[in-house]
Amino acid sequence: DTAVSQTPKYLVTQMGNDKSIKCEQNLGHDTMYWYKQDSKKFLKIMFSYNNKELIINETVPNRFSPKSPDKAHLNLHINSLELGDSAVYFCASSRADYLPGELFFGEGSRLTVL
Amino acid sequence: AQSVTQLDSQVPVFEEAPVELRCNYSSSVSVYLFWYVQYPNQGLQLLLKYLSGSTLVKGINGFEAEFNKSQTSFHLRKPSVHISDTAEYFCAVSLNSGYSTLTFGKGTMLLVSP
Repeated sequence: DTAVSQTPKYLVTQMGNDKSIKCEQNLGHDTMYWYKQDSKKFLKIMFSYNNKELIINETVPNRFSPKSPDKAHLNLHINSLELGDSAVYFCASSRADYLPGELFFGEGSRLTVL
Repeated sequence: AQSVTQLDSQVPVFEEAPVELRCNYSSSVSVYLFWYVQYPNQGLQLLLKYLSGSTLVKGINGFEAEFNKSQTSFHLRKPSVHISDTAEYFCAVSLNSGYSTLTFGKGTMLLVSP
């Protein structure tokens, strides 16, 4: 059983399109995250949700919209894709939002914008 | 705000040799410290963490790290590496008060050759 699963694993699309990445965790965690890893492997937090509520929204273009239908799911929708959006997007979850514990990461979704 | 510096982008070593991956952090308040490992085409996995107590922390796969407050360092070590340790290693920091997410360093690629 995969603890944090993301779909799709690979996504190739044209500039200007809209795409979504889905994430689900079966660990019973309250907090979920989206991280972006660029081509140089640098990881940067994008969003954090706790119990379906947005906690952190870093400086991310508003073309990116996270949605959490329940605490086990956190999806990422991206409008009007740009070349610079090409990256690996990681979903993660953790047990508590006020004491940093272990983050459990999905395997990543590699987005390529042509 | 806190930051993390990983001085080496790549560390090549021979199998069974010892290795040290360096990490320095900057923060005006107390922090928690972490090392994560990313194997090729996978998500990140926690190796070890320092929250409080003993400054020498042991993790999985024979790795250990030492927290040095005066030098603001948290270097990762392993006395004898295996080919299977080839991976990207990320140092991360989080504030230990209030709500805080992980801030990652830029990663160090450990390349183990026979």
